[in-house]
Amino acid sequence: AQSVTQPDIHITVSEGASLELRCNYSYGATPYLFWYVQSPGQGLQLLLKYFSGDTLVQGIKGFEAEFKRSQSSFNLRKPSVHWSDAAEYFCAVGARGFQKLVFGTGTRLLVSP
Amino acid sequence: DVKVTQSSRYLVKRTGEKVFLECVQDMDHENMFWYRQDPGLGLRLIYFSYDVKMKEKGDIPEGYSVSREKKERFSLILESASTNQTSMYLCASSATDGLTYEQYFGPGTRLTVT
Repeated sequence: AQSVTQPDIHITVSEGASLELRCNYSYGATPYLFWYVQSPGQGLQLLLKYFSGDTLVQGIKGFEAEFKRSQSSFNLRKPSVHWSDAAEYFCAVGARGFQKLVFGTGTRLLVSP
Repeated sequence: DVKVTQSSRYLVKRTGEKVFLECVQDMDHENMFWYRQDPGLGLRLIYFSYDVKMKEKGDIPEGYSVSREKKERFSLILESASTNQTSMYLCASSATDGLTYEQYFGPGTRLTVT
């Protein structure tokens, strides 16, 4: 069975600084990996996804993530954070042939002026 | 754009009431999901449906049931609401095309049981 760990519950970043949110997964085969963002009071919106191919994937809002099989990680990055990026971020893992996704517990990003 | 709508954004119910949460998607997706979101616990799958009248239990089905009579609609039912079911409920849908597995989410229903 798949599992996802997001080790950071909260992260505070200054506006304009770079961001990296960590995600580690557990799955025996090649996983499908997702990052979602949830703004306050909203549902989840897909930022980016990895299925195969290039291990560096680009998403919306200037985010990117890198799949590292050797580290079982799929960390989310952004070079310069904007105040509007303050939200909760969820990593999720899926598998070929299975429609269900397993979500991490989320990381809440706070952006300081 | 894919649209997933949920019948209520906020709902307040009393202990013991029967509660219906409705979800509708407009993209002809085969799969629909109900999640519960609690602080520190992330999203936990309650039930999943992969076709009309088909359902599968998720990780926390106790105290819940579901109904899917039409492809676009997936209902979550709390037969007798309890205070420990106070939570945010999220509905999602996805296509069975073997290509994406991406789930599209509704805005959520924040349920308070008093």
